[in-house]
Formats: sequence, C-alpha cells, structure tokens
Amino acid sequence: GENVEQHPSTLSVQEGDSAVIKCTYSDSASNYFPWYKQELGKRPQLIIDIRSNVGEKKDQRIAVTLNKTAKHFSLHITETQPEDSAVYFCAAGNFGNEKLTFGTGTRLTIIP
Amino acid sequence: SAVISQKPSRDICQRGTSLTIQCQVDSQVTMMFWYRQQPGQSLTLIATANQGSEATYESGFVIDKFPISRPNLTFSTLTVSNMSPEDSSIYLCSVTQNTGELFFGEGSRLTVL
Repeated sequence: GENVEQHPSTLSVQEGDSAVIKCTYSDSASNYFPWYKQELGKRPQLIIDIRSNVGEKKDQRIAVTLNKTAKHFSLHITETQPEDSAVYFCAAGNFGNEKLTFGTGTRLTIIP
Repeated sequence: SAVISQKPSRDICQRGTSLTIQCQVDSQVTMMFWYRQQPGQSLTLIATANQGSEATYESGFVIDKFPISRPNLTFSTLTVSNMSPEDSSIYLCSVTQNTGELFFGEGSRLTVL
C-alpha cells in the first residue's frame, strides 16, 4: 500500500518568513495530493490540493509543488501570519477513489 | 461543501461498553469514510461505509470491533465495541462529493476510562 512520509515534524518560523513542509510517497500510481490544516480541537480542513497532471498550484500565500519522478511534494506558505499556526497534514491517493494515506503531520508555529 | 454533523461530539465511556457515533450529511455524497485520530497522531482510515452493503475495512480494523452502517446516501454510524483505554481517540466521519475532495466532520472525541 501507499506510504507517506512528512518532514519536519515541528517547524517554527518568524512571522513574515516562509515555511516549507515536504512529503514523499511510495506508490507511483497515486495521482492526488491534498494538504490539510488542523487547528487545535478542530477538524482537518482542506487548504490546497494538486493532481499529478500539474507540477505546481498556487492559492494566494500557499502553494504546492509536485515532483512525480522523485515522488515528493511540498507545501509552501509565504508571508506567514500567526493564524497559520496549526498542524498540517499531507496525503496521497487516487482522485476518484478518495482513499487517502496521510503523513504524520507538521506542527507549524509562527513566532510573532 | 457538504455540512457534516457528528454526534456525540465527545463522550466519556467505561471500559467494556460500546458507543455508537452518528454522521449526518446535508446532501447526498459519493463516498463516506470513518477515520481515527489518536492523541497527537495522524489520521488513519478505519473503513469505507458502503451504502446498503457491508463496510470495507482497512488492515488492522475488523467488523466485530467497529461495526458500521450506512442505510442511505446521507447517514452512517460507527460503533466502537467493547471499549478499552486504547480506543480513546477522535473518530472522524468524512465524505466526498462530485468534486472528489475529502471533507471531514467535527469529530467525536472518545475517552475510555
């Protein structure tokens, strides 16, 4: 089955700086890579996703890049703000199948 | 996206008892899933809730421990049977719609004493 590794497990960033979280996956058949943000005591919220037919997708301050050859994808958050503090999970799966395998999570702390 | 309601939102249970969690969606959805999130951990898929038939369980999860029902396209239940402290977790209902994205309910936080 699919195996997703996520790094780092914790990340502290000065407000205004950029944050990068990286994930690798094992199953070359995976074609869908969403990212979820989970604030303390809340449900995971989908923040951005990418399918394997594109290499990069951007939505305001967040972007995701995908390298299918190397089987890794990354989340980039620019101009970080205190409200970006949360746990972020990457996931991999097949679009239309919807069974996702999640990474272990990254606790992002933005330092004011 | 669909509005997903879970009940109960939290509960404290005694060892050896069973608890049923309900998931209600405000519109028909393609797929419904149940995930478990142990304290400070990631999300692990328990099973796919199939409408009108038996759920499809992931490795490490069995029907006797986690019976699931899905009588229609908008409702599902997950029962955690014969609970032990190791079952203390957040249980999350999740759904997909035509767009393919996966959305989560608020979760049900279970504490087993």
